[in-house]
Formats: sequence, structure tokens, C-alpha cells
Amino acid sequence: ILNVEQSPQSLHVQEGDSTNFTCSFPSSNFYALHWYRWETAKSPEALFVMTLNGDEKKKGRISATLNTKEGYSYLYIKGSQPEDSATYLCAFGQRGNQFYFGTGTSLTVIP
Amino acid sequence: EAQVTQNPRYLITVTGKKLTVTCSQNMNHEYMSWYRQDPGLGLRQIYYSMNVEVTDKGDVPEGYKVSRKEKRNFPLILESPSPNQTSLYFCATMRTGYIYEQYFGPGTRLTVT
Repeated sequence: ILNVEQSPQSLHVQEGDSTNFTCSFPSSNFYALHWYRWETAKSPEALFVMTLNGDEKKKGRISATLNTKEGYSYLYIKGSQPEDSATYLCAFGQRGNQFYFGTGTSLTVIP
Repeated sequence: EAQVTQNPRYLITVTGKKLTVTCSQNMNHEYMSWYRQDPGLGLRQIYYSMNVEVTDKGDVPEGYKVSRKEKRNFPLILESPSPNQTSLYFCATMRTGYIYEQYFGPGTRLTVT
């Protein structure tokens, strides 16, 4: 069983705070690292797909970095808003297109 | 509108009664996959399919079957459901050929008593 770990498990921040989460994954057989946003009672929605060591992606106030050699990715949210409240999932994609998800970081942004 | 649909959305059934959860997509994606979500365990891949007639086991395939006879459909079959298969199930699809994101269906909440 392949281990993908996310930390912290949950996070409460004030509106306007910036925050970041970590996803750790095996550094061997790397193919892709996905980040998803999952709101309660909805389906996960893709934020980023990252493939190359040193990749940086940005979408509005959310950005992500990737280090495949040491096996981690960071997700950053700048100036958190209440609508950012969700669970953020990372998924490690192995060659052959098998995916392993972390258990997620639950973010609550307090107005 | 690009869609991944799952049916049923909710199902309560009894141990041993065969059931099928359907998944259909209109995006012409080659890749389709089934996941189950259990508290504290994250999404775990059950089976996936790279294309028609090509299926592979994921992390937790025991007790499940799949088939991929058409590109748009990827049903999940529980031949003899047991209470430990009570879970939230998601179907997902993805383009192949490069690196793309997965699109998830709305989920199916299954309870086996």
C-alpha cells in the first residue's frame, strides 16, 4: 500500500489570513500530482495537475509547488475567504495511471 | 454540458443482493475509474479502465467487478454486497495522451445492512 500523507488534517483560519498545506508522497515511480478541492455535498474538483519537479501553478489566490525528488507538494492560499472553506485533496499518480489520494486537509475560514 | 453521471445516487440494500452502480460520461474520455470514500481513509481506487475492454485493479478491488464494453459507460458491480462495502462511491473520468485532471461524478451513497 502506497502512502500519501497530507498535513495538517484540519485548519481554522481567519478571513484574510494566508495559509498552506503539505502533501507528501513517494519519490519513486512519480507520474503526476493532482490537487482537488472538495466542498461538502459536492464532488472533488481539480485545482492543479503537476508533473515536473519545480513546477509552480497558480489560479487566482491559490498556488501550488512540486518537489518530486523529495516527494512533497505545497498548496498555498493567499488572503483566505469564507468560500475557500473546503477539503483539499492531493492525489499521487503513478505510471500506469493508478492514483493514490491523501486523506485531505479540511480548511475552515472564519469570517 | 460535460457530465459524469452516476445512478443510483443513494441505495440501501441487504447483504448478498447483487447490485450495479452505473457511471456514464459524455466527454469521450478514455480513462474511467471507481473510488470509495470512507471516513479517515481518503479516496481509494477500486478499479480503473484505460479504454474499452481494458480494466485494471486499483488498491481495493476485492468484492467488486467492472466492465468497459462502451467508452462512455463503466458500471461497478457488487455481486454479493457485504456491510463493509457501505461507503460513498465516486466515478471519475480523465482524458489520456498527456497529463489531465480527473472529473468526478456526483457520488453514490451505498448502505448494506
